[in-house]
Amino acid sequence: QVQLLESGPRLISPSETLSLTCSVSGASIDSYYWNWIRQPAGKGPEWIGRVHSRGSTKYITSLEGRVTMSVDTTNNQFSLRLTSVTAADTAVYYCAGQSCSPYNCFWFDPWGQGIPVSVSS
Amino acid sequence: IVMTQSPATLSVSPGERATLSCRASQSVSTNLAWYQQKPGQAPRLLLYDTSTRATDIPARFSGSGSGTDFILTIDSLQSEDFALYFCQQYNNWPQTFGQGTKVEIK
Repeated sequence: QVQLLESGPRLISPSETLSLTCSVSGASIDSYYWNWIRQPAGKGPEWIGRVHSRGSTKYITSLEGRVTMSVDTTNNQFSLRLTSVTAADTAVYYCAGQSCSPYNCFWFDPWGQGIPVSVSS
Repeated sequence: IVMTQSPATLSVSPGERATLSCRASQSVSTNLAWYQQKPGQAPRLLLYDTSTRATDIPARFSGSGSGTDFILTIDSLQSEDFALYFCQQYNNWPQTFGQGTKVEIK
């Protein structure tokens, strides 16, 4: 059974850089495309971006320039880095696996349980 | 693509049927998934390709639709089914989600 576990700070000050890690167990880091998804309170989830162990990345346009994702194949982990955070970045952040074809990516499965991140001074 | 779910909250008695709607702002063919979310737990994939149940999902969960209008039906609601449900389209980039429907005990 594949399990994902997010880790990182739950409180961060405005203008700082948010760094989150997702640890993968039960599957090789090569098995999926790995995604970060966030969900502000009371709203639907928002896909942030994805990364593959081969190094390819794709980010949502609205966060281009602030977001970086990477894979650590040695430790079977992948990471999110989001710079210059504001209160609008307050959300529960999820990591999730996804299968993709050469033409499209599909549903998200599995997911981590999520980590709440609050941006506040 | 904007995904709109209705209703925001659905009050249903145990044993009854729940019908949840998801509408896309443009056609997504049948490239739609449904998820169940409970507080403090990982979201759980229920259906993909509109109507294909994910591994270990009970047969009381079913999906239908195509194009812009989709339905998730939960027959004979069990206590463990009271949760938040959201849809996701993966026909167009970026993949987008609905805002969710909360199924609560009536």
